[in-house]
Amino acid sequence: EMHLLESGGGLIQPGGSVRLSCAVSGFTFGDYAMTWVRQAPGKGLEWVSVISGTGAYIYYADSVKGRFIISRENSRNTFFLQMNSLRADDTAVYYCAKFAFSVRDLRQYLEEAGGFDIWGQGTMVTVSS
Amino acid sequence: IQMTQSPSTLSASVGDRVTITCRASQSISTWLAWYQQKPGKAPKFLIFKASSLVSGVPSRFSGSGSGTEFSLTISSLQPDDFATYYCQQYSSSSPWTFGQGTKVEIK
Repeated sequence: EMHLLESGGGLIQPGGSVRLSCAVSGFTFGDYAMTWVRQAPGKGLEWVSVISGTGAYIYYADSVKGRFIISRENSRNTFFLQMNSLRADDTAVYYCAKFAFSVRDLRQYLEEAGGFDIWGQGTMVTVSS
Repeated sequence: IQMTQSPSTLSASVGDRVTITCRASQSISTWLAWYQQKPGKAPKFLIFKASSLVSGVPSRFSGSGSGTEFSLTISSLQPDDFATYYCQQYSSSSPWTFGQGTKVEIK
């Protein structure tokens, strides 16, 4: 059974940093692009960042570009979101998720990778003084 | 690419046929997914490529559309279907935008 488990959330002061982790099991991790999606309290879903299976291709939403860094360690079946210069509007539940389909080259076959089929339970990040 | 869902809230009864609409600000072919989310839970993947049902999702769910107009239909609403539904586009031109969500509540 495929499973994703986030960790690392908590209460962070404005301007601070935190690293989220997502440990996965039940599938060949390196074959799939992975993503972080967030949901502010009472709000909708917002895509944050994507990393390809090899880590060669990385994408960020404009709202986090230059502040967040996504990475992965395929040998440890884990990927990460380093969140820097945090602001109050970064307060949200952060979900990690897996792309539905394995593609050889995410940049060329982005659409064929599909939506996000397996999600973690989410970890809350609260940015407040 | 902006995704706009309508309505924002939908009140319906068990057994009703329910349709949610999702409009894209530019053509996305059929690169569209639908998700169901219940309070305090992660989203659940329902449909991909506008009309392909994810394995294990009940057949009362169906998706249609292409270009800029899409819909999710529940043919006979069941108690377990009361939730919030999101569309998501994944066109390479500006990928992974979600709609604002449609809450399906009990009438």
